[in-house]
Amino acid sequence: GENVEQHPSTLSVQEGDSAVIKCTYSDSASNYFPWYKQELGKGPQLIIDIRSNVGEKKDQRIAVTLNKTAKHFSLHITETQPEDSAVYFCAASSAHYGGSQGNLIFGKGTKLSVKP
Amino acid sequence: KAGVTQTPRYLIKTRGQQVTLSCSPISGHRSVSWYQQTPGQGLQFLFEYFSETQRNKGNFPGRFSGRQFSNSRSEMNVSTLELGDSALYLCASSSPGPTSDTQYFGPGTRLTVL
Repeated sequence: GENVEQHPSTLSVQEGDSAVIKCTYSDSASNYFPWYKQELGKGPQLIIDIRSNVGEKKDQRIAVTLNKTAKHFSLHITETQPEDSAVYFCAASSAHYGGSQGNLIFGKGTKLSVKP
Repeated sequence: KAGVTQTPRYLIKTRGQQVTLSCSPISGHRSVSWYQQTPGQGLQFLFEYFSETQRNKGNFPGRFSGRQFSNSRSEMNVSTLELGDSALYLCASSSPGPTSDTQYFGPGTRLTVL
């Protein structure tokens, strides 16, 4: 089955610096790759996602890149702020349009700390 | 639009008991998935329901079950609770169509088994 590896497990940056989190997946059938942010006591919040027909996607300070050949995808956060501090999860699934939404296979998470 | 809601938010049970958790998806969403989150195993998929039918199932024992109602609300049940069932149980919903794979999570139900 699908396996998703996420690195690093913890990341500490200074406010204003960039943060990069990397994930690799094993199933070449995976076609959907979301990133979630989870704050203490809350459920995961979708922050950005990318599908396999796209190599890069950006939303303000957040960007995701996908390399299908190498089976890895990365989250880039620029100009980090203290409120970016949280646990970030990558995930992969092989959903099919009109069918099952596909079970998300999650990485183990990265605890990001942004120091003011 | 209101987000995914889950009740109760916190629950304490003892070993051997059973528990039922409830999830109301985002209005218009017809697919509901359940996940278990623990510090050791991370986020793991339990099952998915669509139009009152289980469409996908993870690798959990039969003590974990679920159902979906005609209004898309879903419940999951865990029978004969074990200490290892202590976890955050998350529900996620998605809408049909081209972005049916985009899942939105609720705040979760924190279950503690004593």
